[in-house]
Amino acid sequence: AQTVTQSQPEMSVQEAETVTLSCTYDTSENNYYLFWYKQPPSRQMILVIRQEAYKQQNATENRFSVNFQKAAKSFSLKISDSQLGDTAMYFCAFSLYFGNEKLTFGTGTRLTIIP
Amino acid sequence: DTGVSQDPRHKITKRGQNVTFRCDPISEHNRLYWYRQTLGQGPEFLTYFQNEAQLEKSRLLSDRFSAERPKGSFSTLEIQRTEQGDSAMYLCASSLEKGGLETQYFGPGTRLLVL
Repeated sequence: AQTVTQSQPEMSVQEAETVTLSCTYDTSENNYYLFWYKQPPSRQMILVIRQEAYKQQNATENRFSVNFQKAAKSFSLKISDSQLGDTAMYFCAFSLYFGNEKLTFGTGTRLTIIP
Repeated sequence: DTGVSQDPRHKITKRGQNVTFRCDPISEHNRLYWYRQTLGQGPEFLTYFQNEAQLEKSRLLSDRFSAERPKGSFSTLEIQRTEQGDSAMYLCASSLEKGGLETQYFGPGTRLLVL
């Protein structure tokens, strides 16, 4: 069974600063996907960024980037030039490569951007 | 652009009553997932459908829970004889599986409170 661990329950950062959210996971599989989802207060969950485990290059989406360390089973999210709209719960998630791609989530990190 | 919709958004019921939730996926999405999210936790997988076929059910899904997806379009999740422990947010997600990486799009959720 796969597990996802987010060890930072809450974080806060000043607007325009950079923040990094941590995620570690455990699996015996070699092919899988990793995701970061954002859940703003009282709003639905949306995908921020995703990474295929077979790709060595770290994924980047505008101000969001990941540091994927496969050997260490680590998948951190870096948010650059943070904005007030980045305030949300952030969930790290894992799914296997083929077949049922159900997501296994971590417990989340509550990120607050301070004006 | 219509996303995933869920109805109702909130439900308060008394212990022992039956409740039914509906999820309308994004048109043409062939996969539909149900997750449950309790306070302070990440979503947990309950079950998923590929078209009208229910392909996997989590051990979290007791006999009191049943899900259907007739005709491969909308889905319903019914909880019979509700218990206080069923209080949670029930999330639906849909995706288009095309043999590669799929992205799950989430609905706003149905928040259930069992008194």
